[in-house]
Amino acid sequence: AQSVTQPDIHITVSEGASLELRCNYSYGATPYLFWYVQSPGQGLQLLLKYFSGDTLVQGIKGFEAEFKRSQSSFNLRKPSVHWSDAAEYFCAVGVLNTGNQFYFGTGTSLTVIP
Amino acid sequence: NAGVTQTPKFQVLKTGQSMTLQCAQDMNHNSMYWYRQDPGMGLRLIYYSASEGTTDKGEVPNGYNVSRLNKREFSLRLESAAPSQTSVYFCASSELRGGAGNTEAFFGQGTRLTVV
Repeated sequence: AQSVTQPDIHITVSEGASLELRCNYSYGATPYLFWYVQSPGQGLQLLLKYFSGDTLVQGIKGFEAEFKRSQSSFNLRKPSVHWSDAAEYFCAVGVLNTGNQFYFGTGTSLTVIP
Repeated sequence: NAGVTQTPKFQVLKTGQSMTLQCAQDMNHNSMYWYRQDPGMGLRLIYYSASEGTTDKGEVPNGYNVSRLNKREFSLRLESAAPSQTSVYFCASSELRGGAGNTEAFFGQGTRLTVV
């Protein structure tokens, strides 16, 4: 069965520091991979996505992620965090089957210290 | 372009009451989904509809029913609400398929439901 693991429940970083959020997935083939961000009381907004091609993908708000097939990982990075990046981050896998389903990790909550 | 619209945004129900959450998308997507979000559990799929006229159970379907009214609309019904159904509910749509034309899941703003 497909699964998505985000091992870090909560991360705290200082403003201006670099950030890496981890995501591992379990899926037999190359999946479709996504990172979403959710601000308090809001819906989910797409940060970036990977379908194929270059394994380093750029997203909005200065985020990037790297697909590593050998590690079944799709980690999210940002060189310099801003206070407005404080939010919940979700990694997701899209699976092409009869239902075309999306599987989500449990999320990582990011706190940014001034 | 409204995207995915959910109604209502907030709702309080008494145990045993019923209600329907409405969802509509204007992106001509074939697939639509209902998720619930609970603290520490991420998003769990309740039901999904791969295309108009089809619906299937997801991970946590018990206590819910759905209707894919047409390509635009996908409703979620709680027949007899229970406190365990207190959650935030999200509707989403997508056009996930192989090759070009893939899209991510687009989400509504959520319905915050409390069952007392």
